[in-house]
Amino acid sequence: NAGVTQTPKFQVLKTGQSMTLQCAQDMNHNSMYWYRQDPGMGLRLIYYSASEGTTDKGEVPNGYNVSRLNKREFSLRLESAAPSQTSVYFCATNRGGGQETQYFGPGTRLLVL
Amino acid sequence: RKEVEQDPGPFNVPEGATVAFNCTYSNSASQSFFWYRQDCRKEPKLLMSVYSSGNEDGRFTAQLNRASQYISLLIRDSKLSDSATYLCVALKTSYDKVIFGPGTSLSVIP
Repeated sequence: NAGVTQTPKFQVLKTGQSMTLQCAQDMNHNSMYWYRQDPGMGLRLIYYSASEGTTDKGEVPNGYNVSRLNKREFSLRLESAAPSQTSVYFCATNRGGGQETQYFGPGTRLLVL
Repeated sequence: RKEVEQDPGPFNVPEGATVAFNCTYSNSASQSFFWYRQDCRKEPKLLMSVYSSGNEDGRFTAQLNRASQYISLLIRDSKLSDSATYLCVALKTSYDKVIFGPGTSLSVIP
């Protein structure tokens, strides 16, 4: 039982390159989230998916796209990376409905040069 | 105005001290509240939920003040291992998007 896994753990991109961050969970949770965390800014919600087949924008969605591939997987895509997207990206899940606990993956550290 | 705000700190306290953090929320309809802890370069993890009547878990006490729209976290007898960033969450409904406060940094000094 791995919980929430993220790949890759670390990535270096050049400006303009694209990449997809992967997130998978084996907790049978309905809701999945992508956050970014920058020094002094805390965790900011990029996109979330309340259930399979639905996605919604969070606080800072510009420059990102997401896909809820199935109940287990929620990917985050950067089509044209910019230095401002250098950050630590966390995926999180919760069961949906009721008192909610967020379970986080270990994070992906992204550096855009 | 941000939905959830916190004093970023840092709070530097000696071992054994009592320290309290506040977190204010803007949506008066918020119903569910949580405190998370995040260690350096790690993912956040749930510390405790906050119930209307207040709740305690060992050295940690969480309180809710609906009239003033804030939640608080009190840590008694601080340990070195309490050094971390503490994040709060306020949700309107169970299906609400989960927005975190910016976090309060705590350093417990020997």
